[in-house]
Amino acid sequence: DTAVSQTPKYLVTQMGNDKSIKCEQNLGHDTMYWYKQDSKKFLKIMFSYNNKELIINETVPNRFSPKSPDKAHLNLHINSLELGDSAVYFCASSRRQAGDSQYFGPGTRLTVT
Amino acid sequence: QQQVKQSPQSLIVQKGGISIINCAYENTAFDYFPWYQQFPGKGPALLIAIRPDVSEKKEGRFTISFNKSAKQFSLHIMDSQPGDSATYFCAASPNSGGYQKVTFGIGTKLQVIP
Repeated sequence: DTAVSQTPKYLVTQMGNDKSIKCEQNLGHDTMYWYKQDSKKFLKIMFSYNNKELIINETVPNRFSPKSPDKAHLNLHINSLELGDSAVYFCASSRRQAGDSQYFGPGTRLTVT
Repeated sequence: QQQVKQSPQSLIVQKGGISIINCAYENTAFDYFPWYQQFPGKGPALLIAIRPDVSEKKEGRFTISFNKSAKQFSLHIMDSQPGDSATYFCAASPNSGGYQKVTFGIGTKLQVIP
């Protein structure tokens, strides 16, 4: 049973396109996150949702729009993709908002050409 | 602004040796300190975590040492094995007070050579 799953695992697309990444967790957690990991492996939080409500939005271009249809799902839509968006995007979830371990998905490697 | 400083960025250890990764934090509101292990092509996974009411926590070959007054914590991997080769991230967050984001260190790439 996969705890946090993401699709697709790989995404190759051209500049200017729009793409979406989907995430689902079956852990019953209330909080979900999107992280961006660059080529130097640095993990940068992008967004966090708690019970479908956006609670963290870290200086991310508004080309990135998260959507949480329910607390088990958090999707990320990216408009007008740029070369600098190439990275690995991780979805994660945690039981509560603070002081708790996060469970990460396998990642989506996005390559913008 | 790097609120959790992690060092070294890379580490090579012989099989059977001790791997030590250090982290220092500035925010005195932090009171939950997890370590994550990430293998190539995989997502980070929780390895071990500590809260500041103890100075040390051990799980198998992995030990966290915590020094609250110095605002430092470290991961020790005893009897390091090639299978431990991965990137390790320390992290910190407050334990309460509504949503508080987790702050990650920059990561340490550990290579254990036979």
